[in-house]
Amino acid sequence: KNQVEQSPQSLIILEGKNCTLQCNYTVSPFSNLRWYKQDTGRGPVSLTIMTFSENTKSNGRYTATLDADTKQSSLHITASQLSDSASYICVVSARRGGGNKLTFGTGTQLKVEL
Amino acid sequence: ETGVTQTPRHLVMGMTNKKSLKCEQHLGHNAMYWYKQSAKKPLELMFVYNFKEQTENNSVPSRFSPECPNSSHLFLHLHTLQPEDSALYLCASSQELATYNEQFFGPGTRLTVL
Repeated sequence: KNQVEQSPQSLIILEGKNCTLQCNYTVSPFSNLRWYKQDTGRGPVSLTIMTFSENTKSNGRYTATLDADTKQSSLHITASQLSDSASYICVVSARRGGGNKLTFGTGTQLKVEL
Repeated sequence: ETGVTQTPRHLVMGMTNKKSLKCEQHLGHNAMYWYKQSAKKPLELMFVYNFKEQTENNSVPSRFSPECPNSSHLFLHLHTLQPEDSALYLCASSQELATYNEQFFGPGTRLTVL
């Protein structure tokens, strides 16, 4: 069964600090992995997408890594800001005939405090 | 903004009411989706439409009835709902069904069933 597990479930950090969110998956056959940011009361917005051959990808202060061998991904946030407070959702895509099938994680709730 | 709008943003209804959720995308996409997001659970895909035709129904109860009059609009008609149907309902779109995972989400409708 395809599954995506994220950790920690929630996290509180001080503004300016770094943090790393984890995503472990058992999705097969793997197509790609995407991290979404969901602000409270808003829909998810894509941060990065990673394919099998990519190890690292950055988007501003967000850096995602992928280890396809161990089926793990991480999202590192540098110099956190109050606006980073949100839920971060890992979504893994499996190839199937006619398109891809998505498996969503439950998300990590991040709160950045002063 | 993502180019996907949803109305209403909040809805409170009794179990005997009939209401509809509306989604509109301004991105020229051909595929549209309905998701249910409950607290501490992964997003659940409900319906998929491609070029106005329903291509996926993930065992959704018949009290949820989707309608897609054209590629830009998607509705979710609700009737005789249960309290456990209270959740955030998200609409999303993607350019083509084949690029299933590159989805743009609307802000969602927060539904409360009394």
